[in-house]
Amino acid sequence: GQSLEQPSEVTAVEGAIVQINCTYQTSGFYGLSWYQQHDGGAPTFLSYNALDGLEETGRFSSFLSRSDSYGYLLLQELQMKDSASYFCAVRDTGGNKLTFGGGTRVLVKP
Amino acid sequence: GAVVSQHPSWVICKSGTSVKIECRSLDFQATTMFWYRQFPKQSLMLMATSNEGSKATYEQGVEKDKFLINHASLTLSTLTVTSAHPEDSSFYICSARDVRQGVTDTQYFGPGTRLTVL
Repeated sequence: GQSLEQPSEVTAVEGAIVQINCTYQTSGFYGLSWYQQHDGGAPTFLSYNALDGLEETGRFSSFLSRSDSYGYLLLQELQMKDSASYFCAVRDTGGNKLTFGGGTRVLVKP
Repeated sequence: GAVVSQHPSWVICKSGTSVKIECRSLDFQATTMFWYRQFPKQSLMLMATSNEGSKATYEQGVEKDKFLINHASLTLSTLTVTSAHPEDSSFYICSARDVRQGVTDTQYFGPGTRLTVL
């Protein structure tokens, strides 16, 4: 089976940097994805890592270390609109199914 | 980017009735769609994988006779919650995989359907 752990909540101020860690234990691994979900909304895709290293997409970056079964999402120059839940998700070896972590609620304060 | 729609966006029904939720990929074909359920302040739990032209694959603990899935075309999957009960009240979200993106393909999520069973 798959299990993913991430912190439940993080609070930061506008302009700050937040790092959300995700550790996983999986029976198979194809890649680590990150999704953002605002209250009442659908998850939106942020980033995907299949190989070790850092992927940068604007203010958001994601990192993966397969040997450590660990990844993180880095949110830079935080804005109020970044207040949302962030989920890491593992794709299985078939590349189809996603298993989601419990989610990290990020609260951005003025 | 790829767009996935769901209908209805919300539904309220009486206990014992059945509710059908539609999931459509609007600008791409999806041989595989996924159905998730999310309770308030919790994560997304995969219920089943919907395969076009074949039977759905259900996750452990999900009753296939209660949650009927039909994937009749490359752009449409439906989830029917049969004999709904208050404990089935939840946010149901579908996603579709855009295989055109190859190894970096991603799942695109619909806006979700909020089901309330009275």
